[in-house]
Amino acid sequence: AQSVTQPDIHITVSEGASLELRCNYSYGATPYLFWYVQSPGQGLQLLLKYFSGDTLVQGIKGFEAEFKRSQSSFNLRKPSVHWSDAAECFCAVGPSRNAGKSTFGDGTTLTVKP
Amino acid sequence: DGGITQSPKYLFRKEGQNVTLSCEQNLNHDAMYWYRQDPGQGLRLIYYSQIVNDFQKGDIAEGYSVSREKKESFPLTVTSAQKNPTAFYLCASSMADSNQPQHFGDGTRLSIL
Repeated sequence: AQSVTQPDIHITVSEGASLELRCNYSYGATPYLFWYVQSPGQGLQLLLKYFSGDTLVQGIKGFEAEFKRSQSSFNLRKPSVHWSDAAECFCAVGPSRNAGKSTFGDGTTLTVKP
Repeated sequence: DGGITQSPKYLFRKEGQNVTLSCEQNLNHDAMYWYRQDPGQGLRLIYYSQIVNDFQKGDIAEGYSVSREKKESFPLTVTSAQKNPTAFYLCASSMADSNQPQHFGDGTRLSIL
């Protein structure tokens, strides 16, 4: 069965500092991986996605993520965080052809200090 | 503009009452999903549908029902059997290909009076 783990429940960074949010997955084949962001009281917005090819993918708002098959990880990074980046971030895998549904991690709350 | 519309944004339910949450999409997506989100928690899948007139239970389907009579519509009914319905409900849709991301509505917040 597919699963996603986000080890960090809450991350606080200072504005202008770099950011890395961790995501580990369990999947039976080559995974389809996604990072979404959610502002309070809103739906989720896609930040970036990985299907195949280059393991470093670029997304919106200056975010990037690196797929590491050997570590079953897909960590989200940003070189310099802005106050507007504060949000809930979700990593997701799938859907698999058999399951027909994606699996989301429990999310990481990102707080940005001025 | 294409997107997903959820209504209402806020909904209140009395004890023993059924309520229906609306979800409409004009993205021509085949698949649609309903999630429940509780404070500080991730998304839990309630129901999903990959084609009209067909749907599958997710991880927490008890106390909920859905229908998929039209491609663009996937309403969710929270029945009186759902004993703890207070939550934020999110609807999403995607293309049928498994490598496609989901597009989300802005959610409906359901509260018990």
